[in-house]
Amino acid sequence: AQKVTQAQTEISVVEKEDVTLDCVYETRDTTYYLFWYKQPPSGELVFLIRRNSFDEQNEISGRYSWNFQKSTSSFNFTITASQVVDSAVYFCAGGGYNKLIFGAGTRLAVHP
Amino acid sequence: EAQVTQNPRYLITVTGKKLTVTCSQNMNHEYMSWYRQDPGLGLRQIYYSMNVEVTDKGDVPEGYKVSRKEKRNFPLILESPSPNQTSLYFCASSRGTVNTEAFFGQGTRLTVV
Repeated sequence: AQKVTQAQTEISVVEKEDVTLDCVYETRDTTYYLFWYKQPPSGELVFLIRRNSFDEQNEISGRYSWNFQKSTSSFNFTITASQVVDSAVYFCAGGGYNKLIFGAGTRLAVHP
Repeated sequence: EAQVTQNPRYLITVTGKKLTVTCSQNMNHEYMSWYRQDPGLGLRQIYYSMNVEVTDKGDVPEGYKVSRKEKRNFPLILESPSPNQTSLYFCASSRGTVNTEAFFGQGTRLTVV
């Protein structure tokens, strides 16, 4: 069975600090997909990134970057120079074909 | 505008009174699913549907029913709600299967007293 572990329940940083959110996805599937979603205080779920298991290239989008390492089953998310607007709950999710499993989420608080 | 619409957004009901939460998407997506979000547990999948008339259980299906008579609609039915079904519910749709981006509704906060 698949399992998504987000070991960090809550993280608190001061604005402009860099922060990394950890995610480990365990599965026996050789082909799978990994995602990060953001849930701001308003409650909606916002898609951030999708990565398949064959692509270990790091990805950068503005202040956001993602590092996928298949050998350790990790798909970590780094926010550079964090801002107050980054305060949210971040969910990592993984799935194969028909089921998507979410981690418990990491609550990030960025203080001015 | 591409969207997933859930109704109602908020609902307080009593134990045992049947209710339906509606979900509709306008993106012609094949895959739709329901999740519940509880503190410390993240989102857990209740049911999913890969196409019209095709539904299957997720990880926490007990106490819920779904139907997929039309591609755009995927209602969640609680035949006899109980307090442990108090939760935040999300409907989602995606093109194809779970390997594509999911679009989520705005959520339904259900309280069963």
